[in-house]
Amino acid sequence: QKEVEQNSGPLSVPEGAIASLNCTYSDRGSQSFFWYRQYSGKSPELIMSIYSNGDKEDGRFTAQLNKASQYVSLLIRDSQPSDSATYLCAVRADRGSTLGRLYFGRGTQLTVWP
Amino acid sequence: DTEVTQTPKHLVMGMTNKKSLKCEQHMGHRAMYWYKQKAKKPPELMFVYSYEKLSINESVPSRFSPECPNSSLLNLHLHALQPEDSALYLCASRAAGAANEQYFGPGTRLTVT
Repeated sequence: QKEVEQNSGPLSVPEGAIASLNCTYSDRGSQSFFWYRQYSGKSPELIMSIYSNGDKEDGRFTAQLNKASQYVSLLIRDSQPSDSATYLCAVRADRGSTLGRLYFGRGTQLTVWP
Repeated sequence: DTEVTQTPKHLVMGMTNKKSLKCEQHMGHRAMYWYKQKAKKPPELMFVYSYEKLSINESVPSRFSPECPNSSLLNLHLHALQPEDSALYLCASRAAGAANEQYFGPGTRLTVT
């Protein structure tokens, strides 16, 4: 069973702060990692993908991957109230006939207050 | 363009009804997925189609019947559902090959009465 764990929420930060979301995974062979944002009542929206150790930046978002520690994180700089959502960490099963299926964490609910 | 479309947006059906959910993508993606999502839970994989063939069925009850008529379309036929099947049903697609992301459609909110 491939486990994906996210830090328990909810997480509440003031506007302008850095929000830090964390995720660990159990399958050491995993190669592909994703962060989805999901607003209440809406579908998940892909915001970041990361495949190599290190940092990947896209605007206010930075994903960090450490395969040795089996750890992936998402930093949101200059948080805005519009960032308030549930953030889902997803790890793709890349070996065998898994057809790219994703394993999701339970999500972390982020609230950014003005 | 990373658009996956789903119809209908909302569906209310009785336990004896038969209905279908539809998903469409025109990105040339050859892997398509059906998920079920309950409130405050992550998406739960139901079915995976690869090159129009059903490749993964996560032990889903037979009252859910998937169909992939062509490479752009994915249907989910519903029959004799239970109230506990009420959920958000999500379709997703992905290009074949490594290092390709999976994109979700907007979902169909299903209520079974």
